Amino acid sequence: GENVEQHPSTLSVQEGDSAVIKCTYSDSASNYFPWYKQELGKRPQLIIDIRSNVGEKKDQRIAVTLNKTAKHFSLHITETQPEDSAVYFCAASDDKIIFGKGTRLHILP
Amino acid sequence: GAGVSQSPRYKVAKRGQDVALRCDPISGHVSLFWYQQALGQGPEFLTYFQNEAQLDKSGLPSDRFFAERPEGSVSTLKIQRTQQEDSAVYLCASSPLAGGQLVEQFFGPGTRLTVL
Repeated sequence: GENVEQHPSTLSVQEGDSAVIKCTYSDSASNYFPWYKQELGKRPQLIIDIRSNVGEKKDQRIAVTLNKTAKHFSLHITETQPEDSAVYFCAASDDKIIFGKGTRLHILP
Repeated sequence: GAGVSQSPRYKVAKRGQDVALRCDPISGHVSLFWYQQALGQGPEFLTYFQNEAQLDKSGLPSDRFFAERPEGSVSTLKIQRTQQEDSAVYLCASSPLAGGQLVEQFFGPGTRLTVL
């Protein structure tokens, strides 16, 4: 079955700097790759997603890249702000969605 | 509009007790998922419904776990003879389309289950 590895598990960046979170997956049949943000004690919410026929997608300060050959995808957050502090989960999906273990992002003032 | 709701939000059970967790998806959503989220981990898939049909239950950890969605809307996750390892947050998510694994899922707030 699918296995999703996510790193780093914790990331601290200075406010205004960029943050990058990386994920790898094992099942070449996976074709949908969402990213969810979960603030402390709250529900996960989709922030961006990408499908396998696209290499990059951008939405304001957030971008995701996908390399299907290497089976890895990354989340990039630019100009980080305090409200970006949260846990971010990557996921890969074909007939079942499998989540990574999460990255706790701290934005330092 | 109303999002996904779950009840109860918190449940404390003694080991061996049965519990029932409820999920109210967004009205009209076809796909419904249950996940188990242990502390510090990502959500782990339990089961998937398309309308009232349970199409995938491969993630249910044991035969003590049972889920149903008899009318294709509200769903209940039942855990019999609870064990301490069942302690986790149980998340429900819904999606407007069939094949909800391939589109945005809308999560509920979760039920935090603690088994003593």
